Amino acid sequence: GQNIDQPTEMTATEGAIVQINCTYQTSGFNGLFWYQQHAGEAPTFLSYNVLDGLEEKGRFSSFLSRSKGYSYLLLKELQMKDSASYLCAVREASTLTFGKGTMLLVSP
Amino acid sequence: GAGVSQSPSNKVTEKGKDVELRCDPISGHTALYWYRQSLGQGLEFLIYFQGNSAPDKSGLPSDRFSAERTGGSVSTLTIQRTQQEDSAVYLCASSEQHRGSYEQYFGPGTRLTVT
Repeated sequence: GQNIDQPTEMTATEGAIVQINCTYQTSGFNGLFWYQQHAGEAPTFLSYNVLDGLEEKGRFSSFLSRSKGYSYLLLKELQMKDSASYLCAVREASTLTFGKGTMLLVSP
Repeated sequence: GAGVSQSPSNKVTEKGKDVELRCDPISGHTALYWYRQSLGQGLEFLIYFQGNSAPDKSGLPSDRFSAERTGGSVSTLTIQRTQQEDSAVYLCASSEQHRGSYEQYFGPGTRLTVT
């Protein structure tokens, strides 16, 4: 079966660092995506990992360990606008399977 | 350039009626996906089109759901005899390729409410 787990909610303070974890058990693996979704809006692409290791893009970084079925999204220097849902998704063959998302609330 | 567009943005319908939801993908994108998102739930894959290949319908929840993609571009998702549990946001996405690092670009969604 397919199973993608992420925490439901997280809170953090403006300027801080937060790590959102994602574990997956899927029948196939062709890469892992992170998307950001603000309330009432469409998801937007943040990062893609297919090999083990860390991918850095500005304030956001994403890490993958295929052997552990584990990824995390690291957000640095948090801003109020980072309050959103963060979706972990695994590509199996051609389609994406999404987790339920982690709602991040950034407070002043 | 233009992104993925969907229409209508909101649809309220009575139980038992049929509805059609439209998606215009980004020009040149060969892959098109339909998802639905219910309150508090993740994105649920419905159907996937790639070029002229037969669509992957493995995510459709029942035979009341169907989709077409005409001319390799515009797609229509049809829900027949709607039920209250069909209420959700229906999202369409497109991508240049269906494999690898090619990201999916999402449309704004259609919020369907079945009364």
